[in-house]
Amino acid sequence: GAVVSQHPSWVICKSGTSVKIECRSLDFQATTMFWYRQFPKQSLMLMATSNEGSKATYEQGVEKDKFLINHASLTLSTLTVTSAHPEDSSFYICSARLGGSLADTQYFGPGTRLTVL
Amino acid sequence: QQQVKQSPQSLIVQKGGISIINCAYENTAFDYFPWYQQFPGKGPALLIAIRPDVSEKKEGRFTISFNKSAKQFSLHIMDSQPGDSATYFCAASISLFGNEKLTFGTGTRLTIIP
Repeated sequence: GAVVSQHPSWVICKSGTSVKIECRSLDFQATTMFWYRQFPKQSLMLMATSNEGSKATYEQGVEKDKFLINHASLTLSTLTVTSAHPEDSSFYICSARLGGSLADTQYFGPGTRLTVL
Repeated sequence: QQQVKQSPQSLIVQKGGISIINCAYENTAFDYFPWYQQFPGKGPALLIAIRPDVSEKKEGRFTISFNKSAKQFSLHIMDSQPGDSATYFCAASISLFGNEKLTFGTGTRLTIIP
């Protein structure tokens, strides 16, 4: 149980285009999902917290207009990187939080490798 | 202070040995401490987690030791195997008022040699 998927697993795009990454909780409902960014050999950096049916909460320094997050249902959150540039190339990982007595537990997706040319 | 300090940065252990990774925190409001294992090109996978009301938790070969007064916690991997070679992250969060944001340590790259 507690499986989180991401699509696509990798994407290559041209500078200036937009890329959408999907995060799905496959076997549970996630009221809260998180989006992280990870550079090579570094730790995970939280970008934003996404709650179903409400606006995402972004961490300090993360551009809201560049990284659009939509949490339309209890099993799906999307991250859209708008007008992508080479410096946006990174590994993007989502996580979903279980509710109830395991409310603190976050389960991570497999990640999406974004390369902007 | 939201920082979680993790050491060592890298660790080499012989097969069958004990791998020990340490983390320290400042914020006494933290009340949930998970450890994640990450293989290259993959997302982190929850390994084991502990709350401050216990000093130790064991699951198979993995044990978390927790020292509330010292604000430290550690991961012990017994009988380490080559398949355990991965990057390990400690983390901490605060449960109060639904603030479940995880603060991650900097990671430890573990290599198990035959």
